Amino acid sequence: DQQVKQNSPSLSVQEGRISILNCDYTNSMFDYFLWYKKYPAEGPTFLISISSIKDKNEDGRFTVFLNKSAKHLSLHIVPSQPGDSAVYFCAASFKTHTNAGKSTFGDGTTLTVKP
Amino acid sequence: DGGITQSPKYLFRKEGQNVTLSCEQNLNHDAMYWYRQDPGQGLRLIYYSQIVNDFQKGDIAEGYSVSREKKESFPLTVTSAQKNPTAFYLCASSIFRLTGYLLGANVLTFGAGSRLTVL
Repeated sequence: DQQVKQNSPSLSVQEGRISILNCDYTNSMFDYFLWYKKYPAEGPTFLISISSIKDKNEDGRFTVFLNKSAKHLSLHIVPSQPGDSAVYFCAASFKTHTNAGKSTFGDGTTLTVKP
Repeated sequence: DGGITQSPKYLFRKEGQNVTLSCEQNLNHDAMYWYRQDPGQGLRLIYYSQIVNDFQKGDIAEGYSVSREKKESFPLTVTSAQKNPTAFYLCASSIFRLTGYLLGANVLTFGAGSRLTVL
């Protein structure tokens, strides 16, 4: 049973518009969520995170929203730029010292931003 | 610059051979991880180590082995027992505290990955 799901394998948006990437999870015990960005043949890089005690976290053009009751989070990128074209992974983990680094990842969404 | 170095970047193996992937970090992180990525799929945890000389199995440890003799190094051996070893392997590290949750411990820093192909 996949505990973290990204139901859209791909997303295409126009430069300057908003990109919205979605993620659903099934395990209500997850209490920390992260987004990573990955370019081809490279490792993922951390983008933004949110604790379950919050419903929004913002960092420049990137905002993550968390809806705990729906077990849903989303990443908003505004405005989208061609350099944002990459695979975005949603990850969920726990705020405990033994499990903090053991993230469960979604399958990723490939974002293409067209000039 | 601090980071994680994985080598080799590309590796070809004949069936029945063991191969070892190297992972070295100079971030002074205590915890290190090995993840596997298959096409169109997310990352799955193979093994992790939170302190030197100790490591734990992840979700897909069968056919793999690791060692953690130094804080900086966490090599992964893909053995002949791994039925489908062709994949992209990612090493990661994070901060860790033995007692109590440490803010930032959830964030993983990844290496550039090693692509293993079985011929």
